[in-house]
Amino acid sequence: AQSVTQLGSHVSVSEGALVLLRCNYSSSVPPYLFWYVQYPNQGLQLLLKYTSAATLVKGINGFEAEFKKSETSFHLTKPSAHMSDAAEYFCAVHSGNTPLVFGKGTRLSVIA
Amino acid sequence: DTGVSQDPRHKITKRGQNVTFRCDPISEHNRLYWYRQTLGQGPEFLTYFQNEAQLEKSRLLSDRFSAERPKGSFSTLEIQRTEQGDSAMYLCASSLAGRGTGELFFGEGSRLTVL
Repeated sequence: AQSVTQLGSHVSVSEGALVLLRCNYSSSVPPYLFWYVQYPNQGLQLLLKYTSAATLVKGINGFEAEFKKSETSFHLTKPSAHMSDAAEYFCAVHSGNTPLVFGKGTRLSVIA
Repeated sequence: DTGVSQDPRHKITKRGQNVTFRCDPISEHNRLYWYRQTLGQGPEFLTYFQNEAQLEKSRLLSDRFSAERPKGSFSTLEIQRTEQGDSAMYLCASSLAGRGTGELFFGEGSRLTVL
């Protein structure tokens, strides 16, 4: 069975500071990994995805994530936080025909 | 706009009533998913369809829940005899099987409040 663990249900950073949201996965087969963002009262929007090509994946809004097989991790980073980045972020995994499995999410707050 | 649309966006009902949600996927997508999201949790898989066939159901989908996709286009999720524990955001997503990486495209959700 696949699973995702997001470390830290809430992360708070200052505007302009580095954003680091942690995600570890468990999968018995090579996974596809995703980061989604959810703004209040909205659906989920794809930020980026890992598809077994490049291990460093760039997404929208300046976010990127690095797939590290040895650490079973797929952490999300952004060099400089902006107020508009405040949202809930979800890491998700699937392989083959299995449904997408989500982590519990990390709420990002950005302090001016 | 040709994204995933859900209706209604908000539904308040009394315990014991039946409710139905509708999802219209992206037109060329053959897979349609239903997820449930409660406060402070990530989306939890309920069921999915490929065309009109319901291929998998989660154990979260009790016998009070039924989902259909009669013509392989839109889908409905019905909850009978609602309970307060059914209060959640119900998310619909669609994808194109066999193409790409299985990325799901989500609608904005239908929020259910059971009083």
